[in-house]
Amino acid sequence: AQKVTQAQTEISVVEKEDVTLDCVYETRDTTYYLFWYKQPPSGELVFLIRRNSFDEQNEISGRYSWNFQKSTSSFNFTITASQVVDSAVYFCALIKAAGNKLTFGGGTRVLVKP
Amino acid sequence: NAGVTQTPKFQVLKTGQSMTLQCAQDMNHEYMSWYRQDPGMGLRLIHYSVGAGITDQGEVPNGYNVSRSTTEDFPLRLLSAAPSQTSVYFCASSWGDLNTEAFFGQGTRLTVV
Repeated sequence: AQKVTQAQTEISVVEKEDVTLDCVYETRDTTYYLFWYKQPPSGELVFLIRRNSFDEQNEISGRYSWNFQKSTSSFNFTITASQVVDSAVYFCALIKAAGNKLTFGGGTRVLVKP
Repeated sequence: NAGVTQTPKFQVLKTGQSMTLQCAQDMNHEYMSWYRQDPGMGLRLIHYSVGAGITDQGEVPNGYNVSRSTTEDFPLRLLSAAPSQTSVYFCASSWGDLNTEAFFGQGTRLTVV
C-alpha cells in the first residue's frame, strides 16, 4: 500500500521568510511519480511539479524549489522569500506505475502574514 | 478550453436523498477519477475510470456509484446521502501517462443534513 505523510498541518510565517514543507512517502514500487499541488483559498487544485523516481535532481522554479531524496523517501518543498499570495494548502501526492491513481498526503496549510 | 467542469458547485441534501455530481472534460483524457477532500485527510480516491465503459473502486467507494458511457463524462451518484458524505468532491482527468499531471475540476461542496 502507498502512503504519503505531511507531518506539518499548519505553518505560519511572516512575509519574506522561507518556508519548507515536508513530505515523506511509502511505496513498494520502483517506478512512481511524486507531485505537489497548491490549493489556494478559492479551492481549486493547482499543479506545481512532478518528479519521477529515477530523477533525484533538485529543481528550482522561481521562488519554489524541491528536494527529492530517495534514500529517505522524502520530497520536500521550499518557498523562498514567501509572499502573502503563497498562503494556501499544499498537497504532496504519489502515483505508482499501474492505475494512475493519486495518493495524497493530508496537506499543509501555509499562512503568510504581511 | 474549459478543462474539467464540475456541477453543481454547492449542494445541500437531506439524509436519504439521492443526487448526481456531474463531471465533464474536453481534453479527450482517458483517465477520470473522483476524490473527496476532508479536513486533515487530503484527497481520497472514490472511483476511477481508465476509459469509456471501464470503472473501478478506489479507497472509499461505499455509498457511491459511477459510470463512464462516454470519454467526456464521469458522473458520481450518491444513492442515499448520509451526513458522513459531507465533503468537497473533486473530479480529475489525465492522459493516463504517469508523466502527466491530473487536471482537477473546481470542486463541489456537498452538505448532507
